[in-house]
Amino acid sequence: KNEVEQSPQNLTAQEGEFITINCSYSVGISALHWLQQHPGGGIVSLFMLSSGKKKHGRLIATINIQEKHSSLHITASHPRDSAVYICAVTYGGATNKLIFGTGTLLAVQP
Amino acid sequence: NAGVTQTPKFQVLKTGQSMTLQCAQDMNHNSMYWYRQDPGMGLRLIYYSASEGTTDKGEVPNGYNVSRLNKREFSLRLESAAPSQTSVYFCASRPGTFWETQYFGPGTRLLVL
Repeated sequence: KNEVEQSPQNLTAQEGEFITINCSYSVGISALHWLQQHPGGGIVSLFMLSSGKKKHGRLIATINIQEKHSSLHITASHPRDSAVYICAVTYGGATNKLIFGTGTLLAVQP
Repeated sequence: NAGVTQTPKFQVLKTGQSMTLQCAQDMNHNSMYWYRQDPGMGLRLIYYSASEGTTDKGEVPNGYNVSRLNKREFSLRLESAAPSQTSVYFCASRPGTFWETQYFGPGTRLLVL
């Protein structure tokens, strides 16, 4: 069993839809990250959080430490949101080592 | 400010050949990391360097060596490439304080025949 699991693995949405991607983890963590990987490979950090909720534009990330669960929401989705979204958790104290989920491939159709 | 750069972008090797993947960052970050990304698997940590002059093994270090040449540069060496090392390799860096995220390079796609 992977220590970080994401669902769904693949997601197709119509432009404008509200999207939710889920992440569950089984280890003790210091923080949780959401990353975006576009076709062509570049990886960008979207959020780093340890409690509650963070918002950036149309993206919202939430975390429930007791349930070991996080969600990434995209409001008013757009084709440019099409990418792989990766959940990762921080362990290892000061070294900030990460354990990654396998990613969710999102395709937003116009 | 180029961020994290990696060279080469793409490389084909024959089994047994050696090569070094280069990574440099211009953000004065203390920590640097090497990952590999394979289909159906999450990114996995190969080696990391918490600060200049130190390196430590990650999850999948076998078949690799690293050098933290200075604060800017962190190289990954394959001494005798194997087909199992066919992968996309990412370098990342982080300032060093806990609440800073990691910044990733563009990746190196390696094919070992």
